[in-house]
Amino acid sequence: DVKVTQSSRYLVKRTGEKVFLECVQDMDHENMFWYRQDPGLGLRLIYFSYDVKMKEKGDIPEGYSVSREKKERFSLILESASTNQTSMYLCATRNYGYTFGSGTRLTVV
Amino acid sequence: AQSVTQPDIHITVSEGASLELRCNYSYGATPYLFWYVQSPGQGLQLLLKYFSGDTLVQGIKGFEAEFKRSQSSFNLRKPSVHWSDAAEYFCAVGPYNQGGKLIFGQGTELSVKP
Repeated sequence: DVKVTQSSRYLVKRTGEKVFLECVQDMDHENMFWYRQDPGLGLRLIYFSYDVKMKEKGDIPEGYSVSREKKERFSLILESASTNQTSMYLCATRNYGYTFGSGTRLTVV
Repeated sequence: AQSVTQPDIHITVSEGASLELRCNYSYGATPYLFWYVQSPGQGLQLLLKYFSGDTLVQGIKGFEAEFKRSQSSFNLRKPSVHWSDAAEYFCAVGPYNQGGKLIFGQGTELSVKP
């Protein structure tokens, strides 16, 4: 089975900090995705990547950037964290169906 | 526009009762449909998926779903709910390929009464 690992389950950061959320997959999947999940809003796509060094904006990319230097790793970057970025962040890979990581619950204070 | 609608935000059923969670979609191409379940504080786990063939598909944990093209629906069912089924359920639609993004519904939270 594919395993998707998100480096942190819980994070607390201060407003204005640069935040890195890491996601690593152990299969050779080309497609990786970052979503944020908020109550009542479901999952919203932030960015996705079809291959190394390739990235595409999702539905809510503002305030975020991504990095994919190696196939197995897809990083989400909050350049200057704000309180409205407090959320659950989910990473996924896709090979027909999605496989999700366990999520990172980020609180920005 | 492509979208997924789960009309019920929250459902409560008694343990042992039957369950149906509704999902309607709007998608321009042939849809690849999914149901995922999320336990509190966890990521999403695939329950079942459908692309073609028999319109009634079986999944894990005793769940099944029925695809109805004429109604653009993919409702999830379970004959007898267990307390451990309390979770949030998400319906999703996307293209049938290895990549391509999935579009998710807003989710339905299921509570189970003893």
